[in-house]
This record gives sequence, C-alpha cells and structure tokens, in this order.
Amino acid sequence: SQTIHQWPATLVQPVGSPLSLECTVEGTSNPNLYWYRQAAGRGLQLLFYSVGIGQISSEVPQNLSASRPQDRQFILSSKKLLLSDSGFYLCAWSHNEQFFGPGTRLTVL
Amino acid sequence: GDSVTQMEGPVTLSEEAFLTINCTYTATGYPSLFWYVQYPGEGLQLLLKATKADDKGSNKGFEATYRKETTSFHLEKGSVQVSDSAVYFCALSDNYGQNFVFGPGTRLSVLP
Repeated sequence: SQTIHQWPATLVQPVGSPLSLECTVEGTSNPNLYWYRQAAGRGLQLLFYSVGIGQISSEVPQNLSASRPQDRQFILSSKKLLLSDSGFYLCAWSHNEQFFGPGTRLTVL
Repeated sequence: GDSVTQMEGPVTLSEEAFLTINCTYTATGYPSLFWYVQYPGEGLQLLLKATKADDKGSNKGFEATYRKETTSFHLEKGSVQVSDSAVYFCALSDNYGQNFVFGPGTRLSVLP
C-alpha cells in the first residue's frame, strides 16, 4: 500500500533562517506531487506541484522553492524565512484522488 | 477557472442532529468530486468521492450525491457524533486527476 511521510512534524525557526521540509512517498511510482500551505483556520493554498523529476510548477510567487531530486521525494525550501511563512505545510500525491501526508507545522518567530 | 464554494462555518450541532454542508462548483468538462476531512493537527483524509453525475459517495454514515444539473455535491449525515468534529473540505479534480481545487473548508463542532 502507498504511504506518504513528511518531516519534521513541527519546526520553530527564526526570521531569516533557511528552511527545508521533506516529503517522501512509498508504494507508487511517478506520482504527481503537491505542496500546500494552510494558514491557521484557513483553507489550502497550493504552492507547488510536480509531474516528474525536476519538473516543478509554482502557483504562487513567494520566497519558497521546491525541488524533486528523486521520483518519490519532494522538498520545500527557503533561503530566508518570513513571519508570514508560518503555517501548516501539507504534501500530497495523486492518482485519481489526492492522498495527504501528516503535515509539518512551521512557526517563524 | 474551476472553483469550489462551500458554506462558511463554523457549524455547531448537538449530538445526533442532522448535518448538511453545502458545496457547489464551477468546472469545465467532467470533474470528479470529493469530500475530505481534517481532524485537529492532522493532514486531510479522503471521506468520499463521486466520479460522474448522479453517483453517490458514502462512508462512515456520510453521503453526497453528484448533481450535475445544480453543480452541487452537498455533504449529509443523519446523526452526527462528537467524534465528527473536524474541518470538512469539498474539492474537485479535472478529467486527468492532476489539478485539484479545494473549497475553503467548513469547521464542524458537535456538542454532547
């Protein structure tokens, strides 16, 4: 069966520090992968999606970036975090429907 | 572009009450429709889905029917429980299952 992992589960970072969040999928090959952000009490904002290795589409201009170095690995990064980057980050993969990871709660202080 | 509209919450009900959360959509083609549920501090879980007009998705006592004529996919449950307290998201995907659009979410609180 397919599983999706995200780490870390929680993260507290100072403003201006770098960020790296990792997502890996098991049990499937060549999945479509997605990064979403969910601000407190809000809906989902699609940040990036990828249909293959090295193929990244950005939905929102921001100080975040994404990379897909391997088929089942999706990384969300930032060189310098802003206060507004705080939120709940969700990774997902799709095959007719979307399957979500457990999320990473990021607090930028 | 495609969009999903759902009733704003929060919705507060007493245990065993009837639940309806309205969802309407605009889309080209023939989208698939979904309801996801998010419990506090967790990711989203698929609750039910329907892939074509008049399909009824059901799971854990929840139901939703794909109504193409009214472009709706309302979520219903006959008797809610405290454990149903969560945020519910209506969503659609395009014909290819690549592009997903989510509604803003509806927070449900069920009181004992």
